[in-house]
Amino acid sequence: EAQVTQNPRYLITVTGKKLTVTCSQNMNHEYMSWYRQDPGLGLRQIYYSMNVEVTDKGDVPEGYKVSRKEKRNFPLILESPSPNQTSLYFCASSLQYFGVSEQYFGPGTRLTVT
Amino acid sequence: AQTVTQSQPEMSVQEAETVTLSCTYDTSESNYYLFWYKQPPSRQMILVIRQEAYKQQNATENRFSVNFQKAAKSFSLKISDSQLGDTAMYFCAFMKGNAGNMLTFGGGTRLMVKP
Repeated sequence: EAQVTQNPRYLITVTGKKLTVTCSQNMNHEYMSWYRQDPGLGLRQIYYSMNVEVTDKGDVPEGYKVSRKEKRNFPLILESPSPNQTSLYFCASSLQYFGVSEQYFGPGTRLTVT
Repeated sequence: AQTVTQSQPEMSVQEAETVTLSCTYDTSESNYYLFWYKQPPSRQMILVIRQEAYKQQNATENRFSVNFQKAAKSFSLKISDSQLGDTAMYFCAFMKGNAGNMLTFGGGTRLMVKP
């Protein structure tokens, strides 16, 4: 089954404790991205990747890091989480960067930073 | 930069009736795409419908249709014969053409379908 998976689905952590949210897709997609969802603001893009070893900032990159060492994986790293990073996070992938192709979203990760 | 505005934070409709969700956007681009996504309580993001800006004909998918007014930069979603399973958050989204797959989302409208 074609899908985007994220782990963990729920995470409660404390300020400053480094964490990683994993994202993996099995569709051989070139393009992957991370969004955060906050009430009233919709989803906002954090980082995206056009292909392996190619990443770039989205609209709200501060406090986040990403890497794309393999085509299928695109982890989101919070090196020193703060309470304002409490949010619902989505990973998404699509066939390619250029042109318009359907984006497949993961199931979401609910992160709480205390 | 593009902006997408959904002016109705919450709406409700009786089962079997019709409801329209509003969306306006601001852009200087001429080549772009517009989308409506549904997010049920499961949190999964589900693509409902897509409209290419160069197409004059409004997109339709079964009970879902859009009213695309390009000059007014308006992109509303009409849900006919509402069903309980339509209860969800709905997001309007914008994507520039040939410039990457980044989606710009509106703030969302929470729709409740009442029995």
